[in-house]
Amino acid sequence: EAGVAQSPRYKIIEKRQSVAFWCNPISGHATLYWYQQILGQGPKLLIQFQNNGVVDDSQLPKDRFSAERLKGVDSTLKIQPAKLEDSAVYLCASSFGGDEQFFGPGTRLTVL
Amino acid sequence: QQQVKQSPQSLIVQKGGIPIINCAYENTAFDYFPWYQQFPGKGPALLIAIRPDVSEKKEGRFTISFNKSAKQFSLHIMDSQPGDSATYFCAASRGGTSYGKLTFGQGTILTVHP
Repeated sequence: EAGVAQSPRYKIIEKRQSVAFWCNPISGHATLYWYQQILGQGPKLLIQFQNNGVVDDSQLPKDRFSAERLKGVDSTLKIQPAKLEDSAVYLCASSFGGDEQFFGPGTRLTVL
Repeated sequence: QQQVKQSPQSLIVQKGGIPIINCAYENTAFDYFPWYQQFPGKGPALLIAIRPDVSEKKEGRFTISFNKSAKQFSLHIMDSQPGDSATYFCAASRGGTSYGKLTFGQGTILTVHP
């Protein structure tokens, strides 16, 4: 079974630029999550999708972050404009409906 | 009330030792407590998980001890190996409208010397 795919793996941008991350969950997984993991900290949930609907986006900074999951499969997370404090690893995870979440390798974002 | 506090931040043991990582939570509505293992450059992977209706769960060399009254749970790694060197995260979630929303601890960097 293929795992959660994410791209790009690394991204370096200047502050105030925009950036987008892509996630392809495990086939058949209805629930998709985006987490932000700042160096030295645990992942923090940004947004949770059930199929193509948003379940929880309470910790998503909506003035600069946006996410979508068209057709209930792939998802993109966008930051516009980026700030220095957005430097982190952005993790995508998916689940079939049970408790276990399967994580992708993440995208490491550096904002200069 | 949504925090999960994890300790220690780092831990060094010799091969064969039994590292213990502790977590404490405040929200009594939490009903699922997983431990994740993360290697550098990889995403976290589920190691073992427990629900509050049992006090201990063992899977291979990994054991979770759960103390509901103290609102604490811990991970024990028996006969630790250098390959266990990784960052370990405890987490917690609750059901209802927050189903699947994991709150993670700060992580523990474990180093197992040969």
